[in-house]
Order: sequence, then C-alpha cells, then structure tokens
Amino acid sequence: AQKVTQAQTEISVVEKEDVTLDCVYETRDTTYYLFWYKQPPSGELVFLIRRNSFDEQNEISGRYSWNFQKSTSSFNFTITASQVVDSAVYFCALSEWLPGSGGSYIPTFGRGTSLIVHP
Amino acid sequence: KAGVTQTPRYLIKTRGQQVTLSCSPISGHRSVSWYQQTPGQGLQFLFEYFSETQRNKGNFPGRFSGRQFSNSRSEMNVSTLELGDSALYLCASSLEVGVETQYFGPGTRLLVL
Repeated sequence: AQKVTQAQTEISVVEKEDVTLDCVYETRDTTYYLFWYKQPPSGELVFLIRRNSFDEQNEISGRYSWNFQKSTSSFNFTITASQVVDSAVYFCALSEWLPGSGGSYIPTFGRGTSLIVHP
Repeated sequence: KAGVTQTPRYLIKTRGQQVTLSCSPISGHRSVSWYQQTPGQGLQFLFEYFSETQRNKGNFPGRFSGRQFSNSRSEMNVSTLELGDSALYLCASSLEVGVETQYFGPGTRLLVL
C-alpha cells in the first residue's frame, strides 16, 4: 500500500470554481509531518504548507485552506475561487523518522494531482 | 536571498557514461537533499546531507552517490548511466535536517540515450 495516496490524477475546473485535492496517508508513527507542494510547469516544487501530527487545526491562507483529520488520516487541500495561475501539479508528502546514520525526517510524496484551471 | 540553484539545467548523456550534478543551497542552509522524479515512479528520495555527512539514503543502487562540501554545496554522481536514469533530479535545502521545510531548486533534467 502506498504511504501517501492522491487518488485524483487530474482535475479540470473552470476559473472561479472551488476545488479540493485529496490526500490520504498511512503511518504507524505518532510524530510525523505533512506537506503540500505545488509544481508548476517550470518544474520547481514550491512549498505551500507544513503540518505536524499534533496540530489538527485547519489553516486558511488567502484562497488556500487545508483540512487535517487524523481520524481518517487525511490532509485535504482546497482552493477557493480557482484561477488559471493555480494550474499545476500538487503533491502531498508525509515525513517520517528514518534512523539512517544520523536520523532525520524523510518525506514520501504522493503521485500528485494535476490541476487544470480553464479560463 | 537567492534560491536553490542547480547546474546544469539540462543534460543529455549516453548509456554507460557518468554524470555529475551540482546544487547550491540557499545561503545559511546546511542540509541538502536530492530527489529523482520520473513519470513512472514519481518523486523519490535519493539522499540527504548535513555537515558533509550523508544522514540518509533512499532505495537506489550504488551507482548513485553524492557528497557535500564544507560550504554546504552538494554534488550527486550517477555512474554507468542506464536509460531508466532519465529523470528530473531535484535538489532541496533546509536550515537543518529533516523536518525543516525544504526549498527546492528548478531541477536538472537528464536524458540518457
């Protein structure tokens, strides 16, 4: 089973529609971190948000909002009043502790959701 | 502050050759991670360096190696290139290791013929 599942491969909306990108994760750790990144066609991943496992407070940043529910292991991302510039691939990631030679939190990424916003 | 820079941006190699990619982190960032992105496997963690030491390595063969210099700049090397190594290689830097937010560079797109 995948650790991070983004079931929506591609979503197509018309400008000004609201859209929710789903992310379901799987972990046995009690301490972990969740991220959302945006990857525009240029290729660079842009950080959007980080959430730790102890903070289930929802967050809103402008047109973006995130809903974290530990009970369902989900960390969904909503864009309100979408715009053409929101067109990109969005990645959800789960960071868990890996011992390694020193130990650190290493992210596992979902396969991404391609969002296309039509004018 | 300048972002993460990666050189070269594009590269074409043939099977059997070796390649070295370079990453300069954001000034003051001491941790550098590398990722491989392919259509088939998605984004996969390669390795992480902090203070010139490799702290973690992903599930990749020994042909993939890396290092970090005292100024935090990092290089990754792939020897004996295979067609399947064609990918976008992304570098990310963070202040410290692991959970610190990672900031990504534009990537190096490698094509192996």
